[in-house]
Amino acid sequence: DAGVIQSPRHEVTEMGQEVTLRCKPISGHDYLFWYRQTMMRGLELLIYFNNNVPIDDSGMPEDRFSAKMPNASFSTLKIQPSEPRDSAVYFCASSLRYRYQPQHFGDGTRLSIL
Amino acid sequence: AQTVTQSQPEMSVQEAETVTLSCTYDTSESDYYLFWYKQPPSRQMILVIRQEAYKQQNATENRFSVNFQKAAKSFSLKISDSQLGDAAMYFCAYRSAQGGSEKLVFGKGTKLTVNP
Repeated sequence: DAGVIQSPRHEVTEMGQEVTLRCKPISGHDYLFWYRQTMMRGLELLIYFNNNVPIDDSGMPEDRFSAKMPNASFSTLKIQPSEPRDSAVYFCASSLRYRYQPQHFGDGTRLSIL
Repeated sequence: AQTVTQSQPEMSVQEAETVTLSCTYDTSESDYYLFWYKQPPSRQMILVIRQEAYKQQNATENRFSVNFQKAAKSFSLKISDSQLGDAAMYFCAYRSAQGGSEKLVFGKGTKLTVNP
């Protein structure tokens, strides 16, 4: 079975540009999560969805960040405008509804804002 | 809010030896789940082992086992017969089983080096 698929794997762009990260969760999973990983702050949950509906976006750092899940098989995380401090690895994860089920992570997108 | 603490930023072990990684957490809840994830240099986050708080029996997955001490809020990971492929960052994570939240709270991680 295919795991969580993220694209692109690497993204390098200039400050001020719009960045869109993409995620395809594992088929059948009800939950989708976006995380950010930095050396300073570790792994932080940005937002998560249940059945395509955003449930908790309290981790989204500011209005420049937005996330959508238009259907069960696709989600985007957008940063507009991007800033150098947004440079990080962004992970998408998905899981089934039952709490004991673990979250399955994608390979992450390494984002560098110059 | 729950917190997870991994007090060992780095650990090393000789190949074939045993190593234990520490994790403590702070919660007022009685029902929750605990996980260990491995992140090798390839950057993937890979589930190593999981534990339900209401189960007293420690979880085991092949060479990986945990020592779950609920009263002490401790959840250490033991790796037996360490292999070079075990070299990675290891993250301990907590998830509540109450209140409807699906949030995973991660520790800062422990970098494990395996020496040949």
